[in-house]
Amino acid sequence: ETGVTQTPRHLVMGMTNKKSLKCEQHLGHNAMYWYKQSAKKPLELMFVYSLEERVENNSVPSRFSPECPNSSHLFLHLHTLQPEDSALYLCASSQDRGRGLGYTFGSGTRLTVV
Amino acid sequence: EDQVTQSPEALRLQEGESSSLNCSYTVSGLRGLFWYRQDPGKGPEFLFTLYSAGEEKEKERLKATLTKKESFLHITAPKPEDSATYLCAVQAGNQFYFGTGTSLTVIP
Repeated sequence: ETGVTQTPRHLVMGMTNKKSLKCEQHLGHNAMYWYKQSAKKPLELMFVYSLEERVENNSVPSRFSPECPNSSHLFLHLHTLQPEDSALYLCASSQDRGRGLGYTFGSGTRLTVV
Repeated sequence: EDQVTQSPEALRLQEGESSSLNCSYTVSGLRGLFWYRQDPGKGPEFLFTLYSAGEEKEKERLKATLTKKESFLHITAPKPEDSATYLCAVQAGNQFYFGTGTSLTVIP
């Protein structure tokens, strides 16, 4: 399998649930990202993991918790979410952060919080 | 403040009716400008990277151009299968800035 794979594709969860999103990249890239995409808004960077550093967007609530066990796998752990967290969550990877080579995106997880 | 603005927000074209989408940016130290296509419920799919003013890239009916302030995505004789949202992003340093996209509908 090639590219960036995200699972699950769709997720419906209650506000008291705990769930995890998974992302796997088969491109040999060194940086991985979580983005949130909401209607009519630019993509919002949530977290970055690269060989050099982990970067967090300070505006992301603590109910979102990332985990990057190795350069090919990225998780987003979710707990006690709010309805406004419903969105498309996109994982992306790049060869590195600074060389202007762009991202490869996964297909996303459509999250609905009820 | 670094910013990326795309226009129009939505565009409806008849099949075969050529047009252009705009991406204007105000960032310092541009490292690259990227165009993506996004179909409903899917992740963005990479189309082009442009690195310097005057550069042009082509792919089938699409042609991207870059100036010091903006980029255009020209669509020549579009087909219904070109219907999608087109996203623009710019990289400055390690930061990526995305626009909100142009939703293109091509009517048969």
